[in-house]
Amino acid sequence: KAGVTQTPRYLIKTRGQQVTLSCSPISGHRSVSWYQQTPGQGLQFLFEYFSETQRNKGNFPGRFSGRQFSNSRSEMNVSTLELGDSALYLCASSLKPPTSGSYEQYFGPGTRLTVT
Amino acid sequence: TQLLEQSPQFLSIQEGENLTVYCNSSSVFSSLQWYRQEPGEGPVLLVTVVTGGEVKKLKRLTFQFGDARKDSSLHITAAQPGDTGLYLCAGGEEYGNKLVFGAGTILRVKS
Repeated sequence: KAGVTQTPRYLIKTRGQQVTLSCSPISGHRSVSWYQQTPGQGLQFLFEYFSETQRNKGNFPGRFSGRQFSNSRSEMNVSTLELGDSALYLCASSLKPPTSGSYEQYFGPGTRLTVT
Repeated sequence: TQLLEQSPQFLSIQEGENLTVYCNSSSVFSSLQWYRQEPGEGPVLLVTVVTGGEVKKLKRLTFQFGDARKDSSLHITAAQPGDTGLYLCAGGEEYGNKLVFGAGTILRVKS
C-alpha cells in the first residue's frame, strides 16, 4: 500500500507570494492533518480534515488555510508569505478520527518551503 | 491545550550504551505515540500505547505508558548508529481532536 505523498518536495517562494501544497493520504484514510515543523517551534498543528470538513484548527493566522476533496486528498494554502513561514510542512493521514482511542497518524515526507 | 514535555532534548552516546527518553504531562491522554524522524523526512510511527501501564517492545526498543496515562518512556538497549534521529512523542487529547507533540529528543549514537 502506498504511503502518504506530498508535492512538491521543495519550494522556494518570495515574500508576499502565495503557495499551495498538496497531500494524498494512504488509500482508505479519510483524516488528514497538517503540521508546520521548524527548529525553534518543533511540530505545530495547523488543521485537521475528516470527510471534507475541517474539524480542528491550530493557532495560526488566517493566511493559512486548507481544504479536503471528496477523494480525501488535501491542499493547504499560505497567502502573503512571510520569511517566518519557511519550514517543513508535513501532512499526516489516519484511518480513524482523532477522537478514537487508538488514533494513529502516518506522515508524508513533507514539503520544504523556503521564503526569501 | 495539553502540553507534553520531552527530555532530554539532546543525547549523544556511544554504540552499545542504553538510554531512556521521557515524555511527561500533567494531563491525561487517550493514547500516546512515539515517532522517529530522520533529516529531510517525515516522522515514522514506531508504536502506539493506549492502556495505562502498557508496555510494548520493538526489538531493542521498549515503550511504556504510565499508569495514569500522563507520561511515557522510551528505552533503547544497546544503541546502534542506526538509532540516530529525532524521537518525538505525541499524545491524543482525551477530549480534544488532535495530537499534541513533544519538542523531541535528538539522539546521536557514535560508533
